[in-house]
Amino acid sequence: SYELTQPPSVSVSPGQTATITCSGDKLGDQFASWYLQKPGQSPVLVIYQDTKRPSGIPERFSGSSSGNTVTLTISGTQAMDEADYYCQAWDSNTAVFGGGTKLTVL
Amino acid sequence: QVQLVESGGDLVKPGGSLRLSCVGSGFTFRGYYMTWIRQAPGKGLEWVSYISSSGGTIYDADSVKGRFTISRDNAKNSLYLQINSLRAEDTAVYYCATASPVGDGHSYFFEYWGPGTLVTVSS
Repeated sequence: SYELTQPPSVSVSPGQTATITCSGDKLGDQFASWYLQKPGQSPVLVIYQDTKRPSGIPERFSGSSSGNTVTLTISGTQAMDEADYYCQAWDSNTAVFGGGTKLTVL
Repeated sequence: QVQLVESGGDLVKPGGSLRLSCVGSGFTFRGYYMTWIRQAPGKGLEWVSYISSSGGTIYDADSVKGRFTISRDNAKNSLYLQINSLRAEDTAVYYCATASPVGDGHSYFFEYWGPGTLVTVSS
């Protein structure tokens, strides 16, 4: 089955830039989305179609794609950005999520 | 504003059944594709099932095929998930979410999510 691979954890200092990667064999041919989830809350869409940001999502969140890797970048990371982040794509009529990355802001 | 509210989660014995519901408001429900996604305690997100706006197209994850059935009633702005032959590994929070197409229309992102409903399978 198709898999998306994310680092289990990423740490960043407040005000610095956080980057979270997601790799998959077919990502070069697919669009990816990113979601953040804080403890006890539902996931929130932060990036779709690799680079687009939904209304209401701060500009510090951005997405990029290169080859079989997509990247979520958070510029000027704030303490409130501490959360689990998941990438997601589709393959053969099946949605696939990455395993998730815990972003720690310290 | 868009609102999705799930219900129907419960403590069920292995082999049992449940029907989850999700009611949408604040948007034209019949115009949206919909999906169910679950999350086991302390684990990541797992996509479960998808249904087109008319209900004519359904996709299921391999892990639930033959046991879970997604359906919808657009007249009631409602999405359903019938889950049978429950197993301990089905224990999870079940979220309903809207599915919006991108690209050639064969990929989707999940824009709006409900708060989820907890299904616990235990004897």
